[in-house]
Amino acid sequence: SQQGEEDPQALSIQEGENATMNCSYKTSINNLQWYRQNSGRGLVHLILIRSNEREKHSGRLRVTLDTSKKSSSLLITASRAADTASYFCATRPIPNDMRFGAGTRLTVKP
Amino acid sequence: DVKVTQSSRYLVKRTGEKVFLECVQDMDHENMFWYRQDPGLGLRLIYFSYDVKMKEKGDIPEGYSVSREKKERFSLILESASTNQTSMYLCASTPGDPRTTQYFGPGTRLLVL
Repeated sequence: SQQGEEDPQALSIQEGENATMNCSYKTSINNLQWYRQNSGRGLVHLILIRSNEREKHSGRLRVTLDTSKKSSSLLITASRAADTASYFCATRPIPNDMRFGAGTRLTVKP
Repeated sequence: DVKVTQSSRYLVKRTGEKVFLECVQDMDHENMFWYRQDPGLGLRLIYFSYDVKMKEKGDIPEGYSVSREKKERFSLILESASTNQTSMYLCASTPGDPRTTQYFGPGTRLLVL
């Protein structure tokens, strides 16, 4: 079964607004990662947060991790039309394994 | 830069055919993965390998097999393709360090008629 599940499944916002996506997972993890996939393209790694970290920033991205709740959130601030994509969380429950959720489809309207 | 390549971007096969999907990475990564991606289902893990000649089943191994004879190459085999195996197949690799990211190939879009 899938390890990570993103929420919401789809999100539509106006340019300039913030977008928040959530991810829940089931087992203990080494780290959690967020990826972006533009339509018909491969996956691009965005950010990695380790199990002993609570928050991490990268440009307009902010990721939080709550291991007690087995959940993570990805915040994209001041969104742009170019942020339109599907976003996936992925977890590494053991060193050699990685599982993905079904993704959140983000649409940013100009 | 890490490079993960897949043998085909698009492939059309007939029901019952044997299909080989090849994946090659050039960074001496220990771990390699095969996923399939379907609308609304995200990426589902088919098989993965953490060493040469080693393989582990993922969530949906039925109808698939894999081969890892060399460290840089991980092959996905559909013994007898079926229409429900029409999908996007993504290969990925990562070093053994669990703190590292995963690198993806461009994907193979397989259509089984």
